[in-house]
Amino acid sequence: DVKVTQSSRYLVKRTGEKVFLECVQDMDHENMFWYRQDPGLGLRLIYFSYDVKMKEKGDIPEGYSVSREKKERFSLILESASTNQTSMYLCASSLSAQGFGYTFGSGTRLTVV
Amino acid sequence: SQKIEQNSEALNIQEGKTATLTCNYTNYSPAYLQWYRQDPGRGPVFLLLIRENEKEKRKERLKVTFDTTLKQSLFHITASQPADSATYLCAPPSAGNTPLVFGKGTRLSVIA
Repeated sequence: DVKVTQSSRYLVKRTGEKVFLECVQDMDHENMFWYRQDPGLGLRLIYFSYDVKMKEKGDIPEGYSVSREKKERFSLILESASTNQTSMYLCASSLSAQGFGYTFGSGTRLTVV
Repeated sequence: SQKIEQNSEALNIQEGKTATLTCNYTNYSPAYLQWYRQDPGRGPVFLLLIRENEKEKRKERLKVTFDTTLKQSLFHITASQPADSATYLCAPPSAGNTPLVFGKGTRLSVIA
């Protein structure tokens, strides 16, 4: 089975800190995604990548950046954490861009204080 | 713009009954649609994918339909069990090979 591993389950950071959320998948998937999930708003796409070194903005990229130096690793970076970035962050990967299910990690619950 | 609506935020049913969840989409025609299950504090888990040329798809006690005329997908769980209690999300792509757009989900509670 594909495994998507997010480095932290819970994280508490201070306002203004630079935060790195790491995601690693072990099945050679081309595509990786970062979503955030908030009550009443559902999952919203932050960034995605269909290839190494490639990145595309999703629906809510402001305040975030990403890095994909290796195929298996997709990192989400909060440049200067703010309290409105307190959320559950979910990383996912899929075999192909179209028509395949996503495998999600367990999520990182980030609290910015 | 595209809109995905799961028109029940929560659904309670008795054990053994069939649960039916609805997903409606507007302003576009996705080539396929996926359904996921999410337990509290966990990431969603992929259940089923149905393509626009498929009317129905089954997997064990799960059945999904896709009506491109009504712009609607129905997700059924037959002989429901308390272990089926979870939030269920529908997710079509926004267009072509773009990433999935997720509905807000329906929280299903199966009561013994």
